[in-house]
Amino acid sequence: SAVISQKPSRDICQRGTSLTIQCQVDSQVTMMFWYRQQPGQSLTLIATANQGSEATYESGFVIDKFPISRPNLTFSTLTVSNMSPEDSSIYLCSVEFRGEGETQYFGPGTRLLVL
Amino acid sequence: AQSVAQPEDQVNVAEGNPLTVKCTYSVSGNPYLFWYVQYPNRGLQFLLKYITGDNLVKGSYGFEAEFNKSQTSFHLKKPSALVSDSALYFCAVRDNWGSGTYKYIFGTGTRLKVLA
Repeated sequence: SAVISQKPSRDICQRGTSLTIQCQVDSQVTMMFWYRQQPGQSLTLIATANQGSEATYESGFVIDKFPISRPNLTFSTLTVSNMSPEDSSIYLCSVEFRGEGETQYFGPGTRLLVL
Repeated sequence: AQSVAQPEDQVNVAEGNPLTVKCTYSVSGNPYLFWYVQYPNRGLQFLLKYITGDNLVKGSYGFEAEFNKSQTSFHLKKPSALVSDSALYFCAVRDNWGSGTYKYIFGTGTRLKVLA
């Protein structure tokens, strides 16, 4: 089965700094999504990462705060900019694989703590 | 807008007993419904989905779910619970906007505790 990896797996950052999270898949995907999750809570969709075009952001999330890149069919990054303690959360990427639509698979997540 | 509801924050069941985790949905068309499980400090794992066809869907780890259109439900079931089934379970629906665009909407999650 395909592997979805995220880097870093966890990080502790100072407020005002930025962190870029990478999501790498070992086979081609169609859709890629970025979510935020507080431990034990539900998932909140941040944006859909579109290949070759700008990401589509959900209400409450903006590109200046959460810039996303998706340069090809197997890779995406999410940057959390100018971080504050409220950004402490688990960030998850998910994908739909080419040839297997309608099912979302998740990476292991990045646990972020902002001091 | 599409939505899912998981009415129980937590479900406790004795090992070996059958378990049910409830999910109801609200959609404007044909629903695409999913169940995911999250073990502590892990990402979400896909369990099963209903797109069309047989109302009883079988998935990973012995889980199954029954799609009930009249009750707008998609409850997750397992005939005999294991302690290792203890985890956080999410129901999700795909919100189709048309023109090939969509997103997934997740329920609030149900914590399952299987007691030895």
